[in-house]
Amino acid sequence: SQQGEEDPQALSIQEGENATMNCSYKTSINNLQWYRQNSGRGLVHLILIRSNEREKHSGRLRVTLDTSKKSSSLLITASRAADTASYFCATDGETSGSRLTFGEGTQLTVNP
Amino acid sequence: GAVVSQHPSRVICKSGTSVKIECRSLDFQATTMFWYRQFPKQSLMLMATSNEGSKATYEQGVEKDKFLINHASLTLSTLTVTSAHPEDSSFYICSAFRDTFYEQYFGPGTRLTVT
Repeated sequence: SQQGEEDPQALSIQEGENATMNCSYKTSINNLQWYRQNSGRGLVHLILIRSNEREKHSGRLRVTLDTSKKSSSLLITASRAADTASYFCATDGETSGSRLTFGEGTQLTVNP
Repeated sequence: GAVVSQHPSRVICKSGTSVKIECRSLDFQATTMFWYRQFPKQSLMLMATSNEGSKATYEQGVEKDKFLINHASLTLSTLTVTSAHPEDSSFYICSAFRDTFYEQYFGPGTRLTVT
């Protein structure tokens, strides 16, 4: 079963705006990762944040992690139409080893 | 980055037949590979962990006799959907775990349609 929940389930914004997606999880984790998936395609790894980290940046991406609230957020700044995709968080923990548990995902639509 | 391939990318088969999907890590060796299933507009659900040289570990609710997994080498895992039914139609994605980077690399997926 999926341990993560993401909100919103769907997000529609205009090009140039920022997009924020949230992910919550239930058990202790070692790492949390964000992935992107274009329709009908495989997953692209975006960023990994470890349980002892609070914030990480990569280009236009900013990820935060709050282990006390068991939540993470992904911020995409200055969005582009090409950012349109589904975004998933995935966690791994002490009991799961390298196995990943995926959140439900957020479908982001960036309108030109 | 590391490359993982899947073959075929799309397959249509008739109900009752078996379908084999291959997952290959092209530029690294993977003792562990994972198989996921994704239904339309849903997230990825882990089906099983494929271990090179040993039996696969299946997630709760996944029938091991229906979804046969063989990890015969450090670069190849296969998933065989036996006696496929229309409800098995889904997007099947594999990933290969790279120990040195503690990271999973995902294949492009296989779209299975059972008629």
